Amino acid sequence: QQQVKQSPQSLIVQKGGISIINCAYENTAFDYFPWYQQFPGKGPALLIAIRPDVSEKKEGRFTISFNKSAKQFSLHIMDSQPGDSATYFCAASMLKWNSGGSNYKLTFGKGTLLTVNP
Amino acid sequence: KAGVTQTPRYLIKTRGQQVTLSCSPISGHRSVSWYQQTPGQGLQFLFEYFSETQRNKGNFPGRFSGRQFSNSRSEMNVSTLELGDSALYLCASSLRGEGNEKLFFGSGTQLSVL
Repeated sequence: QQQVKQSPQSLIVQKGGISIINCAYENTAFDYFPWYQQFPGKGPALLIAIRPDVSEKKEGRFTISFNKSAKQFSLHIMDSQPGDSATYFCAASMLKWNSGGSNYKLTFGKGTLLTVNP
Repeated sequence: KAGVTQTPRYLIKTRGQQVTLSCSPISGHRSVSWYQQTPGQGLQFLFEYFSETQRNKGNFPGRFSGRQFSNSRSEMNVSTLELGDSALYLCASSLRGEGNEKLFFGSGTQLSVL
């Protein structure tokens, strides 16, 4: 069962344009939603993250929009640059701990390959 | 501060063999997680270790196992390799393995099973 669905699979944007990547989740127990950026030959790196108590979070050119009722969240990259070309993954996890163990694991979407043309 | 180090970078094995991958977390980090990355399935959680104890495990067969040492370094082992085990195996570390902590990923070990 895929708990986090990500779209589109690939995206081509012109330099200076807005890139939008969408994710939907099923498990209402998720309460932490990070986005990761991965360049070829490298591991993913945390880009920005949001908790469901806010509807939007902005860091520089990157913004997460969160819709709790729709169980959806999205990443917006403003003024997209060729250096932003990478694979982007949304993810979800639960912050609450179970007794005797940790719920700490990330469930990832399948990724979006973003290409920003110069 | 050195990042997460994974060795080896590339591995080629044949079906039926076993393999051990190594991960050195960032100094001071006590939680180590492992993920499998494939083009078809994306990133999938394997397991997480904290203070030498496995705290959480993903939906992988028992052929996949791991351990963590007292210095927080971790190894994962895959026995009786299958073609479908070909993947990039990523290790990630964090301070305490708490839900909202930043995970730091290594560059991974690319395993090819022939």
